[in-house]
Amino acid sequence: GQQLNQSPQSMFIQEGEDVSMNCTSSSIFNTWLWYKQDPGEGPVLLIALYKAGELTSNGRLTAQFGITRKDSFLNISASIPSDVGIYFCAGPSKTGANNLFFGTGTRLTVIP
Amino acid sequence: EAQVTQNPRYLITVTGKKLTVTCSQNMNHEYMSWYRQDPGLGLRQIYYSMNVEVTDKGDVPEGYKVSRKEKRNFPLILESPSPNQTSLYFCASSLAPQGMGYTFGSGTRLTVV
Repeated sequence: GQQLNQSPQSMFIQEGEDVSMNCTSSSIFNTWLWYKQDPGEGPVLLIALYKAGELTSNGRLTAQFGITRKDSFLNISASIPSDVGIYFCAGPSKTGANNLFFGTGTRLTVIP
Repeated sequence: EAQVTQNPRYLITVTGKKLTVTCSQNMNHEYMSWYRQDPGLGLRQIYYSMNVEVTDKGDVPEGYKVSRKEKRNFPLILESPSPNQTSLYFCASSLAPQGMGYTFGSGTRLTVV
C-alpha cells in the first residue's frame, strides 16, 4: 500500500538548536504539504510545495520539494519550546479524488 | 471564524453501543474527510466525501459509516463499536485537498471498553 516514511520518528533537542526532518515516498508526488499538530489539537498546515526543487519558508520553518519528487524536507531554525508537537508530511493519495495521504509523523520535543 | 467543529471531544462507550460523532464546517467546502490517529501509524483516512451525497472509502473504512446529506455536515457513525476502534478521530474539510490541504477539527478521543 501507499507509504510516506518520515524520519526521524522522534527528536529531543535543546532550545535554540536547528531541526531537520524528512519524508520519502516510493512514488512521485506533485504536491507536498507539511502539517504541525500541537498537543491536544488537530493538525495545522504549515507549508505547501508544488514544484520540484521549490524552497519555501514560513518564519523559522523552511521546506523543500526534493528534485526527485519522491521526498521533501522540513527545517526549523533556532527552535523554541512552542515548536513541540508532531510534524506530518502529506501528499496526493493513490485513491485519487483530490485526496491526501499522511506520513507517520515526527514527534519533536524541545528542552528549555 | 472559519472552523471545523467536532462533537464530542471525549467519549467513552461500551462495545456494541452505536454512536455518532458529528462534524460541521462553516467554510462551504466541498471536500470533507474523517481520519483516525493511532500511535506510530500517523493519520489514516477512514472515509471522505467530495460533495453532498458523494462519499467513498478511505484506507481504513471497516466498522464505520458516514453520510453527507448537507454540505456542512459529515457525521461518522460506528454501528457496533469495538475496542480496536479506540482512537483519536479528526474531521477535516477543504476546497481542494491536494492543493490547499485540509482544515482539521480539534479531534474526538474515543475509548471503547
